[in-house]
Amino acid sequence: QSVLTQPPSASGTPGQRVTISCSGSSSNIGSNTVSWYQQLPGTAPKLLLYSNNERPSGVPDRFSGSKSGTSASLAISGLQSEDEANYYCATWDDSLNGVVFGGGTKLTVL
Amino acid sequence: EVLLVESGGGLVQPGGSLRLSCAASGFTFDDYAMHWVRQAPGKGLEWVSTVTWNSINIGYADSVRGRFTISRDNAKNSLYLQMNSLRAEDTAFYYCAKDILVGPPSGGVDVWGRGTTVTVSS
Repeated sequence: QSVLTQPPSASGTPGQRVTISCSGSSSNIGSNTVSWYQQLPGTAPKLLLYSNNERPSGVPDRFSGSKSGTSASLAISGLQSEDEANYYCATWDDSLNGVVFGGGTKLTVL
Repeated sequence: EVLLVESGGGLVQPGGSLRLSCAASGFTFDDYAMHWVRQAPGKGLEWVSTVTWNSINIGYADSVRGRFTISRDNAKNSLYLQMNSLRAEDTAFYYCAKDILVGPPSGGVDVWGRGTTVTVSS
């Protein structure tokens, strides 16, 4: 199983606010910043957030992130049908000397 | 435009070898750590390996350590992954990825290649 723990699924209706959690440990989230990725079927992942809550240019401000201790979360407000995708959290792990990913959360827009 | 283009994937028998390449363009390649990330069919993202800008610090996932070797040629703006003793469980889509920050690897990736498919089967 994955080093970082995410819920396997999440859902919401258009316009709603949805949060996805990501739980780790002191050697990863507790010591390093978290990034979030969106992956649509058949495509490469796309960076949504880095350094816990920074958005690359082009990412809507509907996407936001936070981190506290050894956990992080992604919030999507004003949910849209195009947000239906898989979402992954990731960070560096000082003990493993590598990148660790969450198992992914499949977001369904009802 | 920042681009990463992978090549070298294909079908190989168990125990065989493949060498993946990744050609980078549009950024100062030797400023950044680079990663290989894979995704098995229907599964999540799995980190494979990371190399720092100067190749001093290299890391491997336990699942590939001792079988895979990451390397880079900054003069050619290229990243490589030599994969030996391949197993069925190595079957996946392999992505080349650029770290988002200059300097030590952060675990954040801002540029992904389109990927290349590796299938290990007899």
